[in-house]
Amino acid sequence: DVKVTQSSRYLVKRTGEKVFLECVQDMDHENMFWYRQDPGLGLRLIYFSYDVKMKEKGDIPEGYSVSREKKERFSLILESASTNQTSMYLCASSLGVLETQYFGPGTRLLVL
Amino acid sequence: RKEVEQDPGPFNVPEGATVAFNCTYSNSASQSFFWYRQDCRKEPKLLMSVYSSGNEDGRFTAQLNRASQYISLLIRDSKLSDSATYLCVVIPGYSSASKIIFGSGTRLSIRP
Repeated sequence: DVKVTQSSRYLVKRTGEKVFLECVQDMDHENMFWYRQDPGLGLRLIYFSYDVKMKEKGDIPEGYSVSREKKERFSLILESASTNQTSMYLCASSLGVLETQYFGPGTRLLVL
Repeated sequence: RKEVEQDPGPFNVPEGATVAFNCTYSNSASQSFFWYRQDCRKEPKLLMSVYSSGNEDGRFTAQLNRASQYISLLIRDSKLSDSATYLCVVIPGYSSASKIIFGSGTRLSIRP
């Protein structure tokens, strides 16, 4: 069974703080993704990575950066958290670009 | 027009009923299509892929209509446990992983 884990289920941060969200997958998948999910807007792709140290912007990369130093780990960084970044953050991985994505349980981030 | 559109619902149907919903997409070059299921406060999980020839998995049937640019999901003999939000996913092509698009989801509620 594919397992995707995220470092926190719930996180509360203050405006201006630097926030790290970690994601780890154990299936040797090439591709990893970060999404945010908001009511009425569905899932929106922030960044994805198709290999170690490789990344590509998704639809809403502003205010975020990512890091993929190892194949199994993909980190999302909020350099200076803002209240409009309060959301559910979901990490996913897939073997191929056109293949099934497996999601982590999500991190609910509240920025005060 | 949104790139991927779904009727948000909710669809409220009695147990045992047949229910169907569609997902329309605007990019005619789209290559891959999926249906995911998301339970309340949980991560999305793959329900089924959608092939050109259509596919069936038990009570669930997915179809693709390229001419009219939509995919459909049919659930027969609905169960209480089918209550969830159903997300469609459209992937434009091999070089477009950054353009993976999730629909906002259709909420389905099965009543006893």
